Amino acid sequence: AQSVTQLGSHVSVSEGALVLLRCNYSSSVPPYLFWYVQYPNQGLQLLLKYTSAATLVKGINGFEAEFKKSETSFHLTKPSAHMRDAAEYFCAVSDKKGNTPLVFGKGTRLSVIA
Amino acid sequence: EAQVTQNPRYLITVTGKKLTVTCSQNMNHEYMSWYRQDPGLGLRQIYYSMNVEVTDKGDVPEGYKVSRKEKRNFPLILESPSPNQTSLYFCASSLYREETQYFGPGTRLLVL
Repeated sequence: AQSVTQLGSHVSVSEGALVLLRCNYSSSVPPYLFWYVQYPNQGLQLLLKYTSAATLVKGINGFEAEFKKSETSFHLTKPSAHMRDAAEYFCAVSDKKGNTPLVFGKGTRLSVIA
Repeated sequence: EAQVTQNPRYLITVTGKKLTVTCSQNMNHEYMSWYRQDPGLGLRQIYYSMNVEVTDKGDVPEGYKVSRKEKRNFPLILESPSPNQTSLYFCASSLYREETQYFGPGTRLLVL
């Protein structure tokens, strides 16, 4: 069965600092990996998606994530945090054959301090 | 505009009173899904549908029903709501299960 672990339920960074949100996955088959963002009082929207085309995936709003098969990780980064990045971030895994549903991590709340 | 809509957005009800939360998408997606979001638990899938008349249980299906009679609609039914179903509910759709999911704005439900 697939699973996702997000390390840290809450991460706080200063404006302009590096953002690093950690995600480790477990999958017995080649995975599709996603990062979604949820702004306050809104639904989730896709930040970026890994589908095996390239291990470094660039998303919206300056975010990127690197797929590391040896570490079973898909950490999300952004070089310089903005106040508007404050939100909850979810990592999710699916499999390429579509045999299993999308499995979400428990989320990481990012706070950005001025 | 491509979107997933849910109604109502907010609902307060009492234990045992049947309710339906509607979900509709205009993107001709085959796959639709319902999630509930609870603090510290992330999103958990309730039910999903691969296509019309094809539905299956997710991780937390107890106390819920769904139907998929048309491609665009996927209502969530609580036949006898209980306080432990107080939650934030999201409907989502995607072209296929492994593709990017598009989420509705959410329905906040309080069961007294």
